[in-house]
Parts: sequence; C-alpha cells; structure tokens
Amino acid sequence: DTGVSQDPRHKITKRGQNVTFRCDPISEHNRLYWYRQTLGQGPEFLTYFQNEAQLEKSRLLSDRFSAERPKGSFSTLEIQRTEQGDSAMYLCASSFPRTGYNGYTFGSGTRLTVV
Amino acid sequence: DQQVKQNSPSLSVQEGRISILNCDYTNSMFDYFLWYKKYPAEGPTFLISISSIKDKNEDGRFTVFLNKSAKHLSLHIVPSQPGDSAVYFCDIIQGAQKLVFGQGTRLTINP
Repeated sequence: DTGVSQDPRHKITKRGQNVTFRCDPISEHNRLYWYRQTLGQGPEFLTYFQNEAQLEKSRLLSDRFSAERPKGSFSTLEIQRTEQGDSAMYLCASSFPRTGYNGYTFGSGTRLTVV
Repeated sequence: DQQVKQNSPSLSVQEGRISILNCDYTNSMFDYFLWYKKYPAEGPTFLISISSIKDKNEDGRFTVFLNKSAKHLSLHIVPSQPGDSAVYFCDIIQGAQKLVFGQGTRLTINP
C-alpha cells in the first residue's frame, strides 16, 4: 500500500470553471476526510465519510462544493463555478476507527489556483 | 472561535538545542491532543499524541506535555536536528474523529 493518493497534485483553472479532485485512501481505512489549507493557516475540516456515507459537512462547504464516495473506496471533491477564494491546498486523509486518534494518514494534497 | 491557538508563527533553534513549541486551547472537552508535522509539498504526518488523562508522553526525541489547568500543550524536541525543520501543527480530536488544527509554527533548525 502506497498510502493516500491524491490527483492531480496541481490544478490551475480560470474563475467560473468546475474542477474535480480525486482521493484514493488506504484500502483498509473506512473513514475519509477532506480538509482545506490556505496560506498561513492550518488545515480546516470540510467533510467526512464513513464508508460511502457522508456523515458530516462543515459550514465551509458551500453549495458549490460536493463530495462523493460512491463505493466506499475513492472519493471525489468537486467545486463548481470556482472563485479566487477557492485557491488553496485540498488535503485528503483516511483512518481506521480502531486507531482513530493517531491513525490519520494524509495525502500530499491538490494545490488549486484559480486565476 | 479559534479553539486551538499557536501564537508563535515561527521559531529558530540551533542544532543540538531544545525546541519548544507551544499551543493553547479553549475547550476542555477533548480526549486527545496531537502534533502533526508538515514539510513543503507534502501532507501533514502524525508525530505524537497525548490522552487528556495524562500529562506527559514521550517518544524518542519528542515529548508532549499537557497542562490541563492552563489549557496548554507543548512539544519538546531534544536534541533538535536539521531534519526537524518543518511546520508543526497542534491538533485536537473533536466530534466525529475530525482534527482541528492550530495555525502552525514554522520551526527552523540552524546548523
């Protein structure tokens, strides 16, 4: 297992375009999280899945954002009608409940730049 | 309503000396506190954790201290090495196992 994979690593898009990011978690991890990190800040929680069920969404996740995990494996995060304020690093993490307090594994992130 | 605060955005320490990173939190209802380390262009990696029922946890060169009365957490690295240069985040576990991060402290170890 190579850890949590995120694709693409970098994305530059024009304002108003839609973008989609993908996260492949560690195979035996049934929890998957999305975080967003802006410059000079720590990562902020966006949403969380247990298997295919989206159990919690942050108020940061506006209606332009949607996340899915259709088969309880990989997940996608889509941003519609991107705005310059969406420019950030989007991080995915996965965990297994048994080791939940220290079992988070993060991917390397997708850096989004909206121009 | 920042629940986790790291008031020092940066810290510079000489190689071989002790690095002390600090964190304050505002709510007492957390079970675990964690430190994550982040290198540029990589995701955060777990470093060390401490349960709220303990006041110290040690792992090699890294020791985390928890002062519940002061709502203060600190990470000690001794001796500091150049490879320790990174951004360090203090975190709490809240609710559905989600992490709440502080703003981070950039540690630079000078040779």
